[in-house]
Amino acid sequence: AQSVTQPDIHITVSEGASLELRCNYSYGATPYLFWYVQSPGQGLQLLLKYFSGDTLVQGIKGFEAEFKRSQSSFNLRKPSVHWSDAAEYFCAVGVWGGSEKLVFGKGTKLTVNP
Amino acid sequence: DTGVSQDPRHKITKRGQNVTFRCDPISEHNRLYWYRQTLGQGPEFLTYFQNEAQLEKSRLLSDRFSAERPKGSFSTLEIQRTEQGDSAMYLCASSPTGQGTYEQYFGPGTRLTVT
Repeated sequence: AQSVTQPDIHITVSEGASLELRCNYSYGATPYLFWYVQSPGQGLQLLLKYFSGDTLVQGIKGFEAEFKRSQSSFNLRKPSVHWSDAAEYFCAVGVWGGSEKLVFGKGTKLTVNP
Repeated sequence: DTGVSQDPRHKITKRGQNVTFRCDPISEHNRLYWYRQTLGQGPEFLTYFQNEAQLEKSRLLSDRFSAERPKGSFSTLEIQRTEQGDSAMYLCASSPTGQGTYEQYFGPGTRLTVT
């Protein structure tokens, strides 16, 4: 079955520091991968997506992610974190051939210290 | 483009009552999804519509849950005889049909509290 693992439940970084959030997926075919961000009490906003092609994808708000098929990973990175990046981040894999539903990880909560 | 909207944003109800939530997708989107998110978890798929047809339902969607999309536009999710375990955020998402259009756009959610 398809699954997504986000190993870090909570990460704390200082403002201006670099960030990497980990995501590992399990899917039998070529994955379609997504990162979403959720602020408290809000819905999910799409940060970036990978479908095919270049394995390094750029997203909004200065985020990027790298797809590594050999490691079944799709880690999210940002070179310099801003206080407004504090939120919860979800990695998801698209399950196609039918509903095209998303299967999400449990999320990583990011705290940014001043 | 006004985005996906959901109503109400918050609902508090007593155990045993029925509740109904509404979702208005982005206007040109054919696909509509419902997800449920509990505390500390990622969203979990509940059901999916393509236009007015409900094409897939998760095993999470018990007999007390029903969803409709009567004219292929807005959708409603009804929970009958609510239980405390139904307390969660209910998220709606929509997606256009077409090649290369796989991302889903989420609404702000309806937070349900069953007391």
